[in-house]
Amino acid sequence: GQNIDQPTEMTATEGAIVQINCTYQTSGFNGLFWYQQHAGEAPTFLSYNVLDGLEEKGRFSSFLSRSKGYSYLLLKELQMKDSASYLCAVVRAGSYQLTFGKGTKLSVIP
Amino acid sequence: DADVTQTPRNRITKTGKRIMLECSQTKGHDRMYWYRQDPGLGLQLIYYSFDVKDINKGEISDGYSVSRQAQAKFSLSLESAIPNQTALYFCATSDLRTAPSNQPQHFGDGTRLSIL
Repeated sequence: GQNIDQPTEMTATEGAIVQINCTYQTSGFNGLFWYQQHAGEAPTFLSYNVLDGLEEKGRFSSFLSRSKGYSYLLLKELQMKDSASYLCAVVRAGSYQLTFGKGTKLSVIP
Repeated sequence: DADVTQTPRNRITKTGKRIMLECSQTKGHDRMYWYRQDPGLGLQLIYYSFDVKDINKGEISDGYSVSRQAQAKFSLSLESAIPNQTALYFCATSDLRTAPSNQPQHFGDGTRLSIL
């Protein structure tokens, strides 16, 4: 089976850095996605990790440790528009299905 | 125009009614998915289809059925709607013909369904 844990809510200040953690337990692993979802809107793709290490993409970076079953999304220079939910999703080996965590609601305050 | 289009965007209906949610895509992707999203529960996979002749159950398929009418169309039906099927429903697509694992899923704008 799959079990994915993320914090339910986080608050951070505009201009700061925030790290959103995701831990997972899975019987088969084929990568991990991060998605951003603004309230009432569709999720949009942020990043994909399959190998250990850090992937950087502008203000957003994502890290993966397969041995620890752990990933994080790092958001730098926070902007008000970054207020959204951030969804961690694990790719199930063999079937290419995604299993989503419950999401972390990030509120950016002035 | 949106690449993944869901209709209707909003629907209010009564218990026991049959409802169909439709999804069409212009991305040329072979794989299509239906999810529901409930507050505090995240996205849950209902059904997915890898091509026109392939339909698979997801985590929560009971009470739902699907039809893949063409590569570009994937519809979700609730044969007899019940109030606990009130949720936000998303259709998604992905293209696994090139790099299977790292092709992200592209989501439609969602259908907000309320069953009274």
